Order: sequence, then structure tokens, then C-alpha cells
Amino acid sequence: EDQVTQSPEALRLQEGESSSLNCSYTVSGLRGLFWYRQDPGKGPEFLFTLYSAGEEKEKERLKATLTKKESFLHITAPKPEDSATYLCAVQANYGQNFVFGPGTRLSVLP
Amino acid sequence: SQTIHQWPATLVQPVGSPLSLECTVEGTSNPNLYWYRQAAGRGLQLLFYSVGIGQISSEVPQNLSASRPQDRQFILSSKKLLLSDSGFYLCAWSLLAGGSNEQFFGPGTRLTVL
Repeated sequence: EDQVTQSPEALRLQEGESSSLNCSYTVSGLRGLFWYRQDPGKGPEFLFTLYSAGEEKEKERLKATLTKKESFLHITAPKPEDSATYLCAVQANYGQNFVFGPGTRLSVLP
Repeated sequence: SQTIHQWPATLVQPVGSPLSLECTVEGTSNPNLYWYRQAAGRGLQLLFYSVGIGQISSEVPQNLSASRPQDRQFILSSKKLLLSDSGFYLCAWSLLAGGSNEQFFGPGTRLTVL
């Protein structure tokens, strides 16, 4: 069974304090790994797709990396507006559905 | 550009009442469509997905059903709501084209069953 776990469950950072979020996955053949940002009461906003181990993607203060078992979302010098829940999801080669992790709730304090 | 709409945004319904949530996508053709439910503080649970008109796959047994009467319309329904149906319902679309098949989500519907 495909599974996704995320850690930590919640993370509190001071503005400018860099850190990383972890997404560990088990899937029978990875088609893609996806990162989303979700603000309270809103739908998830797409951030990155990663397809193969060693791949990296960057957007502003965020960088996502992928290995065969996990992905990291690195946040460099975060700002309060980066506060949100970050979701990780995987899609297997064999199907159309996506499996989501429970998310990491990030708070960046000014 | 593509956009996805969901309505209503908020809904309060009594137990035992029917439900109909609608999702429409603009700016694309033949998308894969998905319904998710998100309980408070939890991840997204896939309820249904559809790869074409009239084609519905159910991921979990439940009190809900889905239909896709048109290419870009996806409807989530229930004949009799339960308290456990409360949650945040999200519709999403994706395209399987050239390996880039990320999902894009609508704004969601907050359902409270009393």
C-alpha cells in the first residue's frame, strides 16, 4: 500500500531561521512527488513536482529535493508570509490517484 | 489559463438531508477530476476520481456518490447526510500529458452537518 508520512507535524521558526520539512514515502513505482502549500480555509496551492531521485526544484525561498525514499522541502530565511501547512503527495505509475501526507504546519514568527 | 470553481463555499445541513456539491473546470479539456475530504487538522482523503464522462472510481466505501455528467463538471452527492460527513471538501483536476500531471485544487466547500 502506498504511504506518505511527514515530519515534523508542526514547526515554529523565527523569521530568517532556515529549516527543512521531511516527506517519507512508500510507493510501488513513483510517477511523481508533489509539494503543496495550504493556507487555512483554502485549497492547496501547487508548488513543485519531482520525478526522479536527485532532482531539485527551487522557487523563491523554497527548494525541494528528492531521494528514492524521501523528499525535503528546504526553507531558506523564511518570512511570516511563509506560514502555512505544507503537504506532500505521491502518485504511483500504475494509477490515477494521489496519496497525500498529513502535512507540516509551519509558523514563522516575526 | 485554467480555473476551477466549487460551490457553495460554505454549507450547513441537518443530519438526514441530501447533499449536492458542484465543481467545474474552465480552460482545459478531458481533465482527470478528483473529490477529496479533509478533516480538521488532517490530510486529504481521496473520495472519488474520474478519467472521463460517466467514469467514476470510488476509493472508500461511504455515504457519498459522485457523477460526471459533462467533461468539466464533477458533482458530489449524498441522499442522507451523516454527522461524520462534516469536513472540507476539495475538488481537483489534473492532466496526464507529457508526464506533467500535478493536481490543481479548487477553493473548497466547508460542510457542517448538525
